[in-house]
Amino acid sequence: GEDVEQSLFLSVREGDSSVINCTYTDSSSTYLYWYKQEPGAGLQLLTYIFSNMDMKQDQRLTVLLNKKDKHLSLRIADTQTGDSAIYFCAENPGGGADGLTFGKGTHLIIQP
Amino acid sequence: DAGVIQSPRHEVTEMGQEVTLRCKPISGHNSLFWYRQTMMRGLELLIYFNNNVPIDDSGMPEDRFSAKMPNASFSTLKIQPSEPRDSAVYFCASSLEAYNSPLHFGNGTRLTVT
Repeated sequence: GEDVEQSLFLSVREGDSSVINCTYTDSSSTYLYWYKQEPGAGLQLLTYIFSNMDMKQDQRLTVLLNKKDKHLSLRIADTQTGDSAIYFCAENPGGGADGLTFGKGTHLIIQP
Repeated sequence: DAGVIQSPRHEVTEMGQEVTLRCKPISGHNSLFWYRQTMMRGLELLIYFNNNVPIDDSGMPEDRFSAKMPNASFSTLKIQPSEPRDSAVYFCASSLEAYNSPLHFGNGTRLTVT
């Protein structure tokens, strides 16, 4: 089946780096995504990476992709209280436009 | 730019009542998705449409659920009759019908069935 797995919680101190990990199953996914969900809101696209890349950096965000192990990570540098949210990893099974398969989300908790 | 608009934001209803959730996708997007989010099961894809045509409704839980897309700018998800286990947040999302077209989500409808 198609499962995307993430740990449910991550707690970090303000100013430290956060690393959120994800494993996926469909090797034909052409893109992998990270979405952010703040309380009471929908999911917002944070960043994405093409499957033939192994790294993508966008300001404080770094995405690492290990295609062999089907492992994706999101690193947030200098974590701020505003980064507190649920982060979802998602793949597009079969590489098509048929919707995404999401993990259950990682709650990022920021300690002062 | 207006994003995906869902209404109502909150719906509280009694078991057995009909519930209709509404969605207006982003103008120009031709794929529309309905998701349900619960603590236990996370985000589940219920159904999606391409160019107003339902493509895959295998995620619809049972016959009590139905979805329509009468035109490119409007979709409904109906539950009749509703049950307490339908309580969840229902999200609508839209995208361009293209590879690597990301989904844009609405803010969801929080449904509580008592």
